[in-house]
Order: sequence, then structure tokens, then C-alpha cells
Amino acid sequence: DIVTTQSPDSLAVSLGERATINCKASQSVLYRSNNKNYVAWYQQKPRQPPKLLIYWASIRDSGVPDRFSGSGSGTDFTLTISSLQAEDVAVYYCQQYYTTPWTFGQGTKVEIK
Amino acid sequence: EVQLVQSGAKVREPEESLRISCRTSGYSFTKYWISWVRQMPGKGLEWMGNIDPTNSYTNYCPSFQGHITISVDKSTATAYLQWGSLRASDTAMYYCARQALKESGGGDLDIWGQGTMVTVSS
Repeated sequence: DIVTTQSPDSLAVSLGERATINCKASQSVLYRSNNKNYVAWYQQKPRQPPKLLIYWASIRDSGVPDRFSGSGSGTDFTLTISSLQAEDVAVYYCQQYYTTPWTFGQGTKVEIK
Repeated sequence: EVQLVQSGAKVREPEESLRISCRTSGYSFTKYWISWVRQMPGKGLEWMGNIDPTNSYTNYCPSFQGHITISVDKSTATAYLQWGSLRASDTAMYYCARQALKESGGGDLDIWGQGTMVTVSS
């Protein structure tokens, strides 16, 4: 199985400041034949199901604010919230779908400082 | 509007059987795989397996294989997750989720059900 590890486990950021979450896969999730990275990012607020933010490592899902961006390739990926808003308080998960079983990172809790 | 609506919370005793449902609407059921994801209390997300509604082909995470069964009913556009013999450790929230359009080859989960809480206790 591909192990996906996020860092940090939690972070506190001031409103309007940048939040950066990292995700590392235990093997490359870049499929060379189509040059796509098989990584997604999700946001989960308390008592809600997860919501897809980013797929193919860097493509924002429909309706996702442009302060959310995804980057990286191979084994190392980043989710960036460029200017943290109060409504962004949540747990964020990365997921690899390069090979089954799909695996999620352990989650990163984002709070307001 | 695309929707995945799950059955309500369930309470069962150990060794009992259970089937929970995920009724879909607003899209072509056979064009998208359905995944099931477990979230134990206070914990993260675990992918359990998925199914292609066209032919009921399934993939299971090894951690869950043999303990669960994923199925669909194309006539009602509904997916199911079932257990033959529940354990206390199955206590969790279970989500169904629509996987990206099959032709895209993606495994991102773009629409989620609201979740079904399963409690297993004697």
C-alpha cells in the first residue's frame, strides 16, 4: 500500500495569513504516460462529510475559492490557503488514487491563531 | 442536483448483520464508481472499497476484505454496504462517495453522502 503522511498534524494561522499543508507519498503517484499526479485534497468541517477541494494535485474543484491551491509532483505535495478565512477552520486530508487501496493522509487540523 | 442520500443511523449488537444504503440521483449512475469510506470516532478517513455500477466489479481494501460486501441495485441507482457479522470495532461513521467520471480515470471523490453512523454495542 502507498502510505500518505501529512505534516503538520495541526497548525494555527492568523486570519489573512498563509496556511501550508504538506503531503508525502511513500512512492511516486505520478503516472508518466499522462503526466498526472494522482492526488486529491479534501476539507472536512465538524459534523460534515468531506468536501473535494483539489484533484490531479492542482486542479480546483468547481466552486472552490481561488485562495486554495495545490502543487507538487511525484511524492511531495502541498495544499496552500493563501489568505486564511474564518470559514476555513477544518481538518484537511490528502488522498492518493494512483493505486488501490486508495489511502488518505492522517489529516491536518487548521485553526485560527 | 447530484445527491447521495444515505440511510439513517443504526444500532446493532455484535455478531448481527447490517446493510446500509446510498441512494443516488441527478446523474447517470453507471458512469461513476461509488466508494465507501469509514471514519471512526475522532479519527481520519479510511477507504474501504469501490464498485463499478455497470457490472458490479469491486475493489476492496485488504483491511476490510472478507468482512464487508459492497453491491449496487441499478434499477434504483442505490449502492449498499453490508456486514455479515458486526464487531464493536465497526462503530464508525460510514460515507458513500461518487468517484470521478470513469473516462477521466480519476479516483477523487467529488460528491459525498451525509454519512451513516453505525454503533455496535451489547
